[in-house]
Amino acid sequence: SYVLTQPPSVSVAPGQTAVITCGGSKIAYQSVFWYQQRPGQAPVLVLYDNSVRPSGIPERFSGSKSGNTASLTVSRVEAGDEADYYCQVWHSTSYHYVFGTGTTVTVL
Amino acid sequence: QVQLVESGGGVVQPGKSLRLSCAASGFTFSSYGMHWVRQAPGKGLEWVAVIWYDGSDQKYADSVKGRFTISRDNSKNTLYLQMNSLRAEDTALYYCARSRDADMVVVSALPYWGQGTLVTVSS
Repeated sequence: SYVLTQPPSVSVAPGQTAVITCGGSKIAYQSVFWYQQRPGQAPVLVLYDNSVRPSGIPERFSGSKSGNTASLTVSRVEAGDEADYYCQVWHSTSYHYVFGTGTTVTVL
Repeated sequence: QVQLVESGGGVVQPGKSLRLSCAASGFTFSSYGMHWVRQAPGKGLEWVAVIWYDGSDQKYADSVKGRFTISRDNSKNTLYLQMNSLRAEDTALYYCARSRDADMVVVSALPYWGQGTLVTVSS
């Protein structure tokens, strides 16, 4: 089965930049979605189609891809950004959606 | 505004069945693909199933294929998940979610989620 690999955790000081990666063998050809999940809450879509922010998501959230890795960058990190982050793609071969393993962002 | 409200969760013995519901409002339900996503306690998100906006097709994660059935009643604006032959590893919070794009199911993000309903499989 198709796997999207994320680092388990990322720590960042307030005001600094957090980069969360998502690796997959076919990710160069896939649209990547990113979700934020705060403790006890439902996931929130923060990026779709690799880098597009839905309405209401701050410009501090941005996305990119390079080779087999997609990245979510959170600039000028705030305490409220502390959450779990998941990437997601549609895997056309298996006709499945796949979530990444998830990354916990800790604001120091 | 878009609202998704799940119900039907509870404690069930291994091997038994349970049906979850998701009541949708605030949008034209019959125009959007709908998903079930689950999250085991302390674990990550796992996509479970998707149904096309008109119910014409469904896809399932390998972990539930043959045991779970996703369906919808567009006249009642309601999504369902019939879960049979439940196992301990099916214990999770089950979310329903809506596709972003009308009339498009594949390669469409999930901008709207319910708050989830908890399913516990235990003897």
